[in-house]
Amino acid sequence: ETGVTQTPRHLVMGMTNKKSLKCEQHLGHNAMYWYKQSAKKPLELMFVYSLEERVENNSVPSRFSPECPNSSHLFLHLHTLQPEDSALYLCASSQDRQGFGSYEQYFGPGTRLTVT
Amino acid sequence: AQKITQTQPGMFVQEKEAVTLDCTYDTSDPSYGLFWYKQPSSGEMIFLIYQGSYDQQNATEGRYSLNFQKARKSANLVISASQLGDSAMYFCAMREVLMDSSYKLIFGSGTRLLVRP
Repeated sequence: ETGVTQTPRHLVMGMTNKKSLKCEQHLGHNAMYWYKQSAKKPLELMFVYSLEERVENNSVPSRFSPECPNSSHLFLHLHTLQPEDSALYLCASSQDRQGFGSYEQYFGPGTRLTVT
Repeated sequence: AQKITQTQPGMFVQEKEAVTLDCTYDTSDPSYGLFWYKQPSSGEMIFLIYQGSYDQQNATEGRYSLNFQKARKSANLVISASQLGDSAMYFCAMREVLMDSSYKLIFGSGTRLLVRP
């Protein structure tokens, strides 16, 4: 399997549920990202992990909890979400190499989350 | 703070014609990178093209080219010979380097392109 994969592709959960989103990259990259894409809003960065350490938490509510057990896997644990958290959640990875190249991020297909 | 502006919410183009998608940016960093991504209805973000602030020539990748005008702070995407499969959302993004040398992307609001047969 190649590229960046995300599971599940679709998720419907109640406000009291606990669920997790999974992202896996097969590109040998050393940085991973979670983005949120709501309707009619630009992509919003949520978390950045570089070399398995969190380097950015973009003022995300604590009901979203990321986990990066190794450089290939990234999770987003969800609990007591609100209906406004319904969105497309995109995972991305990149190879950080300051001073070289384009640093492009490769995205997964996303998880479409609906909170009821 | 860095900012990306895409002023065209939606555009139409006739199949086989060229189209330009606008992007302007604002940054005080002398070194920066600009990206264009395509997002089909399936949701996946597909990297198209990159332009570095110190690159002497405009970037090209197949039918995609970037019209980089540094003084105007614009990085417009040009798609030549449009195809029906080009119908999608297009996002312009800028790289912002974080403290530990990792980075994040700042995205514009996107332009929805529809290619007419």
